[in-house]
Amino acid sequence: SAVISQKPSRDICQRGTSLTIQCQVDSQVTMMFWYRQQPGQSLTLIATANQGSEATYESGFVIDKFPISRPNLTFSTLTVSNMSPEDSSIYLCSVALGGQITEAFFGQGTRLTVV
Amino acid sequence: LAKTTQPISMDSYEGQEVNITCSHNNIATNDYITWYQQFPSQGPRFIIQGYKTKVTNEVASLFIPADRKSSTLSLPRVSLSDTAVYYCLVGERVLTGGGNKLTFGTGTQLKVEL
Repeated sequence: SAVISQKPSRDICQRGTSLTIQCQVDSQVTMMFWYRQQPGQSLTLIATANQGSEATYESGFVIDKFPISRPNLTFSTLTVSNMSPEDSSIYLCSVALGGQITEAFFGQGTRLTVV
Repeated sequence: LAKTTQPISMDSYEGQEVNITCSHNNIATNDYITWYQQFPSQGPRFIIQGYKTKVTNEVASLFIPADRKSSTLSLPRVSLSDTAVYYCLVGERVLTGGGNKLTFGTGTQLKVEL
């Protein structure tokens, strides 16, 4: 299994500012995934972060808006830049462990409110 | 990844068995079916995964017919604490490395009452 810690758990930010979310995993993993969950909605993948290479972004998400760092195999950050109220969401970090059962583990999420 | 269709919501009472069906008509040969549970203010949590027939663990059972175009998550004797959103996902299983990205559908909001 994997234990994921996210910081901060929640924040209220002014529009136009940026917030960096940290994700720490208790084991080394090749890939880390960042998801967004808007109020009352399902999860949407933002990007996949590989250690030692540029993150891969999904359609509709760009690096300038959501820069990602992946300095080692246990840590990643997601920055939400130049925030607007539409960025108010829960942001979740996830890792998946392969094997006989492929199970994804999620952090508790960061609840972001932009005012 | 194969698209999934689930009921938006379901209601049940404590002690009853709940069956949530998911349709995945375009499932590929290498795809597995996985269910996740999400409580408010928490990340999704893995429940069960299967490829065909029946899989059972301490939490739930997963029934998959021969054509694999649908699957049914069965929760025995639900309690209030089973109130959550349940997601059905289909995709390839990764045996090594860092896993696959997941595509979440709308999920099913299960509400359990006394």
